[in-house]
Amino acid sequence: GAGVSQSPSNKVTEKGKDVELRCDPISGHTALYWYRQSLGQGLEFLIYFQGNSAPDKSGLPSDRFSAERTGGSVSTLTIQRTQQEDSAVYLCASSQGVSSEKLFFGSGTQLSVL
Amino acid sequence: DAKTTQPTSMDCAEGRAANLPCNHSTISGNEYVYWYRQIHSQGPQYIIHGLKNNETNEMASLIITEDRKSSTLILPHATLRDTAVYYCVFYNQGGKLIFGQGTELSVKP
Repeated sequence: GAGVSQSPSNKVTEKGKDVELRCDPISGHTALYWYRQSLGQGLEFLIYFQGNSAPDKSGLPSDRFSAERTGGSVSTLTIQRTQQEDSAVYLCASSQGVSSEKLFFGSGTQLSVL
Repeated sequence: DAKTTQPTSMDCAEGRAANLPCNHSTISGNEYVYWYRQIHSQGPQYIIHGLKNNETNEMASLIITEDRKSSTLILPHATLRDTAVYYCVFYNQGGKLIFGQGTELSVKP
């Protein structure tokens, strides 16, 4: 596609439920990032995929959060047993993966945990 | 992690130049400085990046000090649509971009 696509754009869930957020990066981009942005806050790094290397999971806030990237393309961020503090906008970005390449961001998924 | 320091907020009159400063004293010699902006309810948008030399594109100019410890993003003729949060970032050794809190720029008529 022309840009990074995220789905759903909005997700409302009940506390304790699991959610899956999807990211379709730009075709050919080998690097993929997930960030979280709480209301009025900056971007919080979550996880980084680069090609076939092991992902950098250093930003995941708890073991309820996980992400995978299948076939080096689409990525899914899964949050298990959601809590109210998980409510935020989840942003995905991709880049060509060459060192110091610019990121292209999706529009994000607004997650609301009731 | 890579760290930048920016003012929390700034105002600018419409039509005037907006000069947004950033300190990045821990940047390494081969690390580029990137600027992104985030308009309300949208994902961040790339603006410009540079290593040592000043850079200019259709959106902005980037002035990097000789010691590379700071830079300034210049929007030459700010418009109301330039109201956004502006982030100055660089890649840390792990190869990922770590964003700070950014500068909230308000362009006023």
